Amino acid sequence: GENVEQHPSTLSVQEGDSAVIKCTYSDSASNYFPWYKQELGKGPQLIIDIRSNVGEKKDQRIAVTLNKTAKHFSLHITETQPEDSAVYFCAASILPGRRALTFGSGTRLQVQP
Amino acid sequence: NAGVTQTPKFQVLKTGQSMTLQCAQDMNHNSMYWYRQDPGMGLRLIYYSASEGTTDKGEVPNGYNVSRLNKREFSLRLESAAPSQTSVYFCASRGQGNVDTQYFGPGTRLTVL
Repeated sequence: GENVEQHPSTLSVQEGDSAVIKCTYSDSASNYFPWYKQELGKGPQLIIDIRSNVGEKKDQRIAVTLNKTAKHFSLHITETQPEDSAVYFCAASILPGRRALTFGSGTRLQVQP
Repeated sequence: NAGVTQTPKFQVLKTGQSMTLQCAQDMNHNSMYWYRQDPGMGLRLIYYSASEGTTDKGEVPNGYNVSRLNKREFSLRLESAAPSQTSVYFCASRGQGNVDTQYFGPGTRLTVL
């Protein structure tokens, strides 16, 4: 089955700096890659996603890049703010199909004011 | 809309006790999922239901049973709880067709002593 590895496990940045979280996947058939943000005591919430027919996608301060050849994808957060502090999860799945997600182990991002 | 709701929020069980975790969604979604979240391991799929009346095993189904009671409700049952089932449990749902976003509930924190 699919295996998703995520790095780093913790990341601390100064407010205003950029943050980058990287994930690799093992199944070349995976074609959908969402990123979730989980705040303390809450369920994960989708912040951005990308399909394998696209190399990059942006939404305001958040961007995701995908390299299908190398089987890795990354989340980029620019101009970080204290409210960006949370745990971020990458995931992968195969479309169509049951669309259950295989998650990475998570990155705890701390933005220092 | 309440989205995805889960009950209870917290539960403490003794080894061997049984309990049912409840999940309901009001978004008219076909697919529903149960995940467990353990420290450093991300979220892992326990069971999923592609539609009312169907259920399938995920990555870690042992020790669990599920029921898709109707389109709205998807319950997870622990027949004989074990300490290894101490975890945070999340229910999620997904819409129809090519809609890929999974919406997560707030989670149930379960401790088995």
